[in-house]
Amino acid sequence: EDQVTQSPEALRLQEGESSSLNCSYTVSGLRGLFWYRQDPGKGPEFLFTLYSAGEEKEKERLKATLTKKESFLHITAPKPEDSATYLCAAYNDMRFGAGTRLTVKP
Amino acid sequence: ETGVTQSPTHLIKTRGQQVTLRCSSQSGHNTVSWYQQALGQGPQFIFQYYREEENGRGNFPPRFSGLQFPNYSSELNVNALELDDSALYLCASSFGRGSYEQYFGPGTRLTVT
Repeated sequence: EDQVTQSPEALRLQEGESSSLNCSYTVSGLRGLFWYRQDPGKGPEFLFTLYSAGEEKEKERLKATLTKKESFLHITAPKPEDSATYLCAAYNDMRFGAGTRLTVKP
Repeated sequence: ETGVTQSPTHLIKTRGQQVTLRCSSQSGHNTVSWYQQALGQGPQFIFQYYREEENGRGNFPPRFSGLQFPNYSSELNVNALELDDSALYLCASSFGRGSYEQYFGPGTRLTVT
């Protein structure tokens, strides 16, 4: 069965402490891997789409990478405003993971 | 450019009732997808509409149905509400058939008692 698993469930960082979030997937014939950011009480905000293994995309302090089995969202020198839940989704049937809840303390 | 809007913001219904949720897509988008998000979970895909036709459906029973109108706005209808239907319902719009580079609305919080 197709699955998308995100780890860790929650991550607490100090401001400036870089880290990575993981999204592993077992989806046959992946057509795209999406990353979203979701703030409490709001809809997800689109961040990146990755289509093939080896692809990388960057936006400000965030960089997303993709391999054949997983994707990473690297956060460099995070700030408190980066605190949110980060969701990944695999596109064959737009299957979302449960998310990683990131808290960045000043 | 107008973003995705949803109405109502919150809704409380009783088990067995029917509900209609509404979504206006972002300007220039012709595809709308609906998701259900339970507390602490990721969104679950309900279905997608492209140019007024259903273009993909997730694992939801037939009592979840939808419509897309000529202006690309959309409705989600849920009949015979169950307690487990309590969730945040998200609408997302995009451009193109099968497109998932999508932009989400703020959601409708449905509570079934």
